[in-house]
Amino acid sequence: SQKIEQNSEALNIQEGKTATLTCNYTNYSPAYLQWYRQDPGRGPVFLLLIRENEKEKRKERLKVTFDTTLKQSLFHITASQPADSATYLCALDRGFQKLVFGTGTRLLVSP
Amino acid sequence: DGGITQSPKYLFRKEGQNVTLSCEQNLNHDAMYWYRQDPGQGLRLIYYSQIVNDFQKGDIAEGYSVSREKKESFPLTVTSAQKNPTAFYLCASSIDLGTAEAFFGQGTRLTVV
Repeated sequence: SQKIEQNSEALNIQEGKTATLTCNYTNYSPAYLQWYRQDPGRGPVFLLLIRENEKEKRKERLKVTFDTTLKQSLFHITASQPADSATYLCALDRGFQKLVFGTGTRLLVSP
Repeated sequence: DGGITQSPKYLFRKEGQNVTLSCEQNLNHDAMYWYRQDPGQGLRLIYYSQIVNDFQKGDIAEGYSVSREKKESFPLTVTSAQKNPTAFYLCASSIDLGTAEAFFGQGTRLTVV
């Protein structure tokens, strides 16, 4: 069956450290994968998109990698801040922008 | 400010009543979507629309209906046939179906009692 998995346990890190979140998928062949940030009671906000022919994408303190062999994407936040605390969702394309979302991983950055 | 607006933020309804959730965008996007979010589950696609007067069922369309009479508007009706309507509903839009980034509204939390 098709699955997209993110660690359901919250990730707790200290301010200034690098947070790494994982997204694994099975039985999909996405043309691209996206990461979103969601704060409690709010809609997701788009952060980054990485295509199947790209290995890495960066935006300010954010970095995403995409390994189509391992069927995995890693999302990194460097020099993390308490304001980065949120739930991070990965979403992959299954054609015609019909995104399928993971359940998200909650990140808690403590001062 | 360009954006996508959902209203109301909170909605309470009695079981057996139909309810319509509003979604308006001024981004001039062709594609619009409705998702449902439940605790411990990813967003699930209810309906999507590529263009005015056209819409397609998503993964969990049963018990829901939509219309797309105007480019800016994509209302969702939760009917009494929906067995578990209590959820957080999210509307989104993108430039078109082939474009990646989705812009989401702030969501409507529907509680059916």
